[in-house]
Amino acid sequence: DVKVTQSSRYLVKRTGEKVFLECVQDMDHENMFWYRQDPGLGLRLIYFSYDVKMKEKGDIPEGYSVSREKKERFSLILESASTNQTSMYLCASRKFGEKLFFGSGTQLSVL
Amino acid sequence: GENVEQHPSTLSVQEGDSAVIKCTYSDSASNYFPWYKQELGKGPQLIIDIRSNVGEKKDQRIAVTLNKTAKHFSLHITETQPEDSAVYFCAASIGANNLFFGTGTRLTVIP
Repeated sequence: DVKVTQSSRYLVKRTGEKVFLECVQDMDHENMFWYRQDPGLGLRLIYFSYDVKMKEKGDIPEGYSVSREKKERFSLILESASTNQTSMYLCASRKFGEKLFFGSGTQLSVL
Repeated sequence: GENVEQHPSTLSVQEGDSAVIKCTYSDSASNYFPWYKQELGKGPQLIIDIRSNVGEKKDQRIAVTLNKTAKHFSLHITETQPEDSAVYFCAASIGANNLFFGTGTRLTVIP
C-alpha cells in the first residue's frame, strides 16, 4: 500500500512563527501536492511539485512556500504564520497521471 | 479554471437506504472524475473513479454515473451501513492535470 506520512497530526504555533510541515511518501511518486481543507470550502491546492526541485503555485499560494530537495519529501513552509492559516493541511502524491493518495493531515492552529 | 459544485452539503439516511451525492463541473474538457471518502481523523481515500469514455461504473454497493452532456456526475451508495458515514468529495480533472475538488458532503447513516 502507498504510504503518505505527515510528520505531525496536530500543531499549535504563534502568529509570526515560521512553520514547517513535512510530508514523505514511500512509493517513488513523481508528483506531490499540498492542500488545505476548510469547512465549506473543500480542498484547495496550495502548491504542487511534478518532480524533484520543481514547484508550481496552486490556487492559494500566498503566504506559503515549498521545498522538494528529495523525491520522497515535500515540505510546506509558512514564512510568518497568521491566524487565517489555521486549517487542516493535507499532503498527497501520485505517479504522473495516476491516482492520488493522501496523508492523514496536519491540523494547524495559529494563535 | 474548472469549477466543481457538490450537493448536498449534508445528508442523513436510514441504514439500508440509498444515498446519492451529485456534482457538476464547468469545463467540458474534464475527463477524469474520482470520488474520495474521508473518515474522521483521516485523509481522503479514493473509493471509485470514472473516465469520460464510460457512463457508469460499479463496485459492490458503490456506483458512479456520468452525464457528459449535462456535465454532471453522481455517487450512489446502496444498502448504506453505519461505516459509510463520512465526508465524501467529488473531483474533476483534464487528463493528468490537477484535480479540482467539490466542497464535500457529510453523510450520516442512522442505525
